[in-house]
Amino acid sequence: KQEVTQIPAALSVPEGENLVLNCSFTDSAIYNLQWFRQDPGKGLTSLLLIQSSQREQTSGRLNASLDKSSGRSTLYIAASQPGDSATYLCAVRPRTALIFGKGTTLSVSS
Amino acid sequence: EAQVTQNPRYLITVTGKKLTVTCSQNMNHEYMSWYRQDPGLGLRQIYYSMNVEVTDKGDVPEGYKVSRKEKRNFPLILESPSPNQTSLYFCASSFQNTNEQFFGPGTRLTVL
Repeated sequence: KQEVTQIPAALSVPEGENLVLNCSFTDSAIYNLQWFRQDPGKGLTSLLLIQSSQREQTSGRLNASLDKSSGRSTLYIAASQPGDSATYLCAVRPRTALIFGKGTTLSVSS
Repeated sequence: EAQVTQNPRYLITVTGKKLTVTCSQNMNHEYMSWYRQDPGLGLRQIYYSMNVEVTDKGDVPEGYKVSRKEKRNFPLILESPSPNQTSLYFCASSFQNTNEQFFGPGTRLTVL
């Protein structure tokens, strides 16, 4: 059964710092991996989608990598800002459902 | 604006009183699904639909029903809600099964 783990569960950094969020999954048979952002009491905003044949995707200050063979993905956030404070969720798609990790809650202080 | 909408956003009800949470998308997506989010358990899929009139169970379907009579709508039906269905519910859609999924704003349901 596919399991997704995100480490750390929580992270606090000062503004301007570059940071990396980690995601690992147990079964490499996936179609794609998607990173989301969730603000308190709000819905999920899609940040980046990496197809299984891709190694990385970039959007603005965000860069996500995928190493399917080792079951790992990282989300790199450059020059963090207080507005980046949120919970970041990683999800893999082995078949019909997205399987989510429990998220990393990021707090960026000014 | 391309979006997934859900109604209601908040609902407090009592055990056994049938309710429907609506979901609609304006992106002509074929694939739609429902998830619930619970503290400590994360997001889990309830039901999904690959296209009109095609639905199937996800990981936690007990106590729920769905229908897909039109491409844009995918309502979630709780015939006899129970307190263990108190949760935050999300509807999601994508062009096809393996494409990027877009989520609605969520419906917070409390069953007393």
